[in-house]
Amino acid sequence: DARVTQTPRHKVTEMGQEVTMRCQPILGHNTVFWYRQTMMQGLELLAYFRNRAPLDDSGMPKDRFSAEMPDATLATLKIQPSEPRDSAVYFCASGFPPGGINNEQFFGPGTRLTVL
Amino acid sequence: AQSVTQLGSHVSVSEGALVLLRCNYSSSVPPYLFWYVQYPNQGLQLLLKYTSAATLVKGINGFEAEFKKSETSFHLTKPSAHMSDAAEYFCAVRGYQGAQKLVFGQGTRLTINP
Repeated sequence: DARVTQTPRHKVTEMGQEVTMRCQPILGHNTVFWYRQTMMQGLELLAYFRNRAPLDDSGMPKDRFSAEMPDATLATLKIQPSEPRDSAVYFCASGFPPGGINNEQFFGPGTRLTVL
Repeated sequence: AQSVTQLGSHVSVSEGALVLLRCNYSSSVPPYLFWYVQYPNQGLQLLLKYTSAATLVKGINGFEAEFKKSETSFHLTKPSAHMSDAAEYFCAVRGYQGAQKLVFGQGTRLTINP
């Protein structure tokens, strides 16, 4: 059963610390998305990649957030330095490129981040 | 720009009753529309999708949705609610012309009363 995996599932850290979240997309998927979910803002797209290249990161605060895909099996989202307002659930999703009808996104279970 | 509006942040129905969750969209191009469900402490799972084929779309767990272009709506329904349907439901839209972003609505929390 192919699934998107995310680690860690939970992270509690202190303000100012670096946070790294990892995502393993489904094998063969070449598009990866990072979302953030909060009560106030709902689901927001932070960034997405196709074939490991960033296509759009306009939703991501550039001064402290960075997203990369070191290889096809790993995507990372880093926050440095972290702030309490970054507390949220961060989801990774993977999918296929556009043009076909089977281009849904498959979501991971999320990383719940708490910044004290 | 594409957007979706979900009417009602909370919907409560009795077990066995009809479920109706409303979604209206705005899109300048023929849209792709999706309904996702999120159970507590889990990621989002696709319920169904509309991609310009049949206007009545059947999904998993007995849910279906009808695309109505004249009303710019894509409401989600289920004839008979089950306790296991309690979750949060998100409507999302994506542009047709190569856009891959999913723009989500604010979500509707569905509660099922015994």
